[in-house]
Amino acid sequence: EDKVVQSPLSLVVHEGDTVTLNCSYEVTNFRSLLWYKQEKKAPTFLFMLTSSGIEKKSGRLSSILDKKELFSILNITATQTGDSAIYLCAVSPQGGSEKLVFGKGTKLTVNP
Amino acid sequence: EPEVTQTPSHQVTQMGQEVILRCVPISNHLYFYWYRQILGQKVEFLVSFYNNEISEKSEIFDDQFSVERPDGSNFTLKIRSTKLEDSAMYFCASSSPRDSYNEKLFFGSGTQLSVL
Repeated sequence: EDKVVQSPLSLVVHEGDTVTLNCSYEVTNFRSLLWYKQEKKAPTFLFMLTSSGIEKKSGRLSSILDKKELFSILNITATQTGDSAIYLCAVSPQGGSEKLVFGKGTKLTVNP
Repeated sequence: EPEVTQTPSHQVTQMGQEVILRCVPISNHLYFYWYRQILGQKVEFLVSFYNNEISEKSEIFDDQFSVERPDGSNFTLKIRSTKLEDSAMYFCASSSPRDSYNEKLFFGSGTQLSVL
């Protein structure tokens, strides 16, 4: 069974801290891994990773994939209260499948 | 920025009733999806739809569920006879195959379905 495990499940930090969120996966015929940010309702797209070792970066957020060890990390530097959200990791498991398999998410709370 | 819109935002229904959840995907997207999230649980895939037919569905998507694209803009999810365990947030999503992969999904804000 395809599986995505995120850790930690929740995290509380102070503004300015740097955080690292983890995502490990077991899927058949891996195609890509995606990170989403879910604030109130709709998950919003952050990154899609397909190749190992290539860092994707957007402002204070960055992510990297390790296809050998089957995990990805999402880093957020200089956190702000607006970063408070649930961060979802999802993988696309098969070449012919269109579904995404999601992890439970990491709930990040950034306190002022 | 174009977005996926869903209506209604909240739906309360009695067990056994039919509900229709509506979605307007991003206009140039070709792949459409329904996902659901039961409170406190993972986002789960229900169904994908392409070229006017279901391309993939999960075990959750049984005979009580159906999807339709009745016109060029709307995409609907119908639950024929709702059960208590259908209570969840239902997300519509769409994607474009312009890139090599079409996994980059854009999600709507969801419909919170409560079955009483």
